[in-house]
Amino acid sequence: DQQVKQNSPSLSVQEGRISILNCDYTNSMFDYFLWYKKYPAEGPTFLISISSIKDKNEDGRFTVFLNKSAKHLSLHIVPSQPGDSAVYFCAASELGGYSTLTFGKGTMLLVSP
Amino acid sequence: ETGVTQSPTHLIKTRGQQVTLRCSSQSGHNTVSWYQQALGQGPQFIFQYYREEENGRGNFPPRFSGLQFPNYSSELNVNALELDDSALYLCASSPGQKPNYGYTFGSGTRLTVV
Repeated sequence: DQQVKQNSPSLSVQEGRISILNCDYTNSMFDYFLWYKKYPAEGPTFLISISSIKDKNEDGRFTVFLNKSAKHLSLHIVPSQPGDSAVYFCAASELGGYSTLTFGKGTMLLVSP
Repeated sequence: ETGVTQSPTHLIKTRGQQVTLRCSSQSGHNTVSWYQQALGQGPQFIFQYYREEENGRGNFPPRFSGLQFPNYSSELNVNALELDDSALYLCASSPGQKPNYGYTFGSGTRLTVV
């Protein structure tokens, strides 16, 4: 039973345009959400997070939106750059429970010049 | 400030053998979590150690075990290896147990079981 789903295995975007990566979750106990970026042969690198008490968090080119009623979050990258090409993982946690991250399968983003 | 270091980077083992993977946590971090990432999947939580005690465990059999040492480095041991244990094993350290403290991941150990 996949509790965090990233339904798009891949996404191709042109440099300068917006990249939108989507994530859905099923566990209503999740209250903290994170996005990680992963390059080949490296570990995941933290990008941005959002608590369930917010619906938006921004950090430079990266914005995460959370829609709790739809159990959906999205990561917007504006403008996209070729260096953003990587696998992006959505992760969720229940801060009051087990100290664990539940990850989606990832979306591979390719930003072409 | 050094990051999270994992060793070895790659190894190949035969089914039925035992393996030990190592993780040096980032300076100042007292919590280590281990994740398994199978091909085409997201990382899956194995267990977490906080101040040398196991602090949570995912859906993995007892042949997956671990240790955390006084310097907060950690080991993951897997006994009776199976072909499905082939995966990237990731270690993450943090200054606290909860993800909002910030997890720093190592580059992982690629284990192949033949």
